[in-house]
Amino acid sequence: GESVGLHLPTLSVQEGDNSIINCAYSNSASDYFIWYKQESGKGPQFIIDIRSNMDKRQGQRVTVLLNKTVKHLSLQIAATQPGDSAVYFCAEAYTGGFKTIFGAGTRLFVKA
Amino acid sequence: EAGVVQSPRYKIIEKKQPVAFWCNPISGHNTLYWYRQNLGQGPELLIRYENEEAVDDSQLPKDRFSAERLKGVDSTLKIQPAELGDSAVYLCASSLDVGAGNTEAFFGQGTRLTVV
Repeated sequence: GESVGLHLPTLSVQEGDNSIINCAYSNSASDYFIWYKQESGKGPQFIIDIRSNMDKRQGQRVTVLLNKTVKHLSLQIAATQPGDSAVYFCAEAYTGGFKTIFGAGTRLFVKA
Repeated sequence: EAGVVQSPRYKIIEKKQPVAFWCNPISGHNTLYWYRQNLGQGPELLIRYENEEAVDDSQLPKDRFSAERLKGVDSTLKIQPAELGDSAVYLCASSLDVGAGNTEAFFGQGTRLTVV
C-alpha cells in the first residue's frame, strides 16, 4: 500500500555540522512532499515543501532534495544547532483530494 | 495571531467512558484536520473538513469516533466508548485552501489521552 517511511530512526550530529535526514516514499502520484519538525510536547511544525516537478528547493539553512527515480526525499540542515533537536517527519500530499501521509519520523540529536 | 488552539491538553479516563476534544483553528482557515499520533509514530489522519463538510473520513473508526464542525469554524472530536488502545495524542491542524497549493498545515499542541 501507500507508505512514506524513513531510513534511519535516529541521527546524532555535532553542533555546527550538517545533517541529512532521508525518507523513502512509494506513491508516485503525490503533488508535494513536505518536511515537518516536531519538538517534544508540541505539534508538528512545517519546515519546507517541494513540488513533485522539482528536484531541489532551498530555505533558510535547509535544503530539500527530491529524487523521483528512486522515490527518495532528503532534508539537509546546514550548521545544525541545538534548537534543531527534534523528530523530523516527511510527508506526501495530494492537492486533488488533499491528504497528508506522514512517515514514522527520525529523531535528530544535536551534541554541543 | 493565535495559532490552533486545542483543549484539554491532557485527559485521563477509564475505559468505556466518553471523551471529547475541542479545536479552534486559525481564523480564515477553511480546512481542518484531526490526526491521531501514537508514541514514536507519525500522525495519522482521522478526518478532514473543508468548511463544515467532512471530505475525508475514511480513516475514522466510525463505530466509536465522531466529529463535527457545525459552523465551519471550531470542531469537536468524540470517542464513545473509549478503549485502552485509544490512548494517544490527538492533534488538530488547519490550513488555507489546499487546492491552491497551500500545503502548510498548522498544528495545535494536541490532547494527550490516556485510557486506563
